[in-house]
Amino acid sequence: DAGVIQSPRHEVTEMGQEVTLRCKPISGHNSLFWYRQTMMRGLELLIYFNNNVPIDDSGMPEDRFSAKMPNASFSTLKIQPSEPRDSAVYFCASSPEDRVQYFGPGTRLTVT
Amino acid sequence: GDSVTQMEGPVTLSEEAFLTINCTYTATGYPSLFWYVQYPGEGLQLLLKATKADDKGSNKGFEATYRKETTSFHLEKGSVQVSDSAVYFCALNAGNNRKLIWGLGTSLAVNP
Repeated sequence: DAGVIQSPRHEVTEMGQEVTLRCKPISGHNSLFWYRQTMMRGLELLIYFNNNVPIDDSGMPEDRFSAKMPNASFSTLKIQPSEPRDSAVYFCASSPEDRVQYFGPGTRLTVT
Repeated sequence: GDSVTQMEGPVTLSEEAFLTINCTYTATGYPSLFWYVQYPGEGLQLLLKATKADDKGSNKGFEATYRKETTSFHLEKGSVQVSDSAVYFCALNAGNNRKLIWGLGTSLAVNP
């Protein structure tokens, strides 16, 4: 089992640029979660999907953030335009029916 | 609403010391309770869980018992090792959705 796969692992970009983070969940898991982690704010849930449908996006900071899950094996989190305050580690997690969440290794985003 | 409260860190111990990290919760109904661990530079991973009152979760020498009367799920280990240095998160899942409600995390440093 490869686990949750995230790409890229590191991203450095300039303010105003578009950033796309990618996630491949564990096969057979029907829920997917996007989190952001910073020292100041800790771990924040941004959005989660169940069976590819967005269920709760109340944690998405603002309209600059968007997430999609076109099929059961792929999801993206897009930031457009990016700002320095978006710098953080972004985690994707997937979950089967038992509600245990399995986290990917994260994408460290730096916006200069 | 549902919430999780963890003891604040950082916690610093010497190798072979006894560890307790307190976690209390507020939830309607009968939540499932989790402890996750995050090693430096990695994503969170499940350490142990309990799904009903009086259940004891255990893994890698760590234990936690689901105490409904005190709404607690304290993490314990009899003899910590340097390799246990990490951040520990308590979490709960209640209701029909898949979201986990997270504590703020407790940083543990174990010195040789």
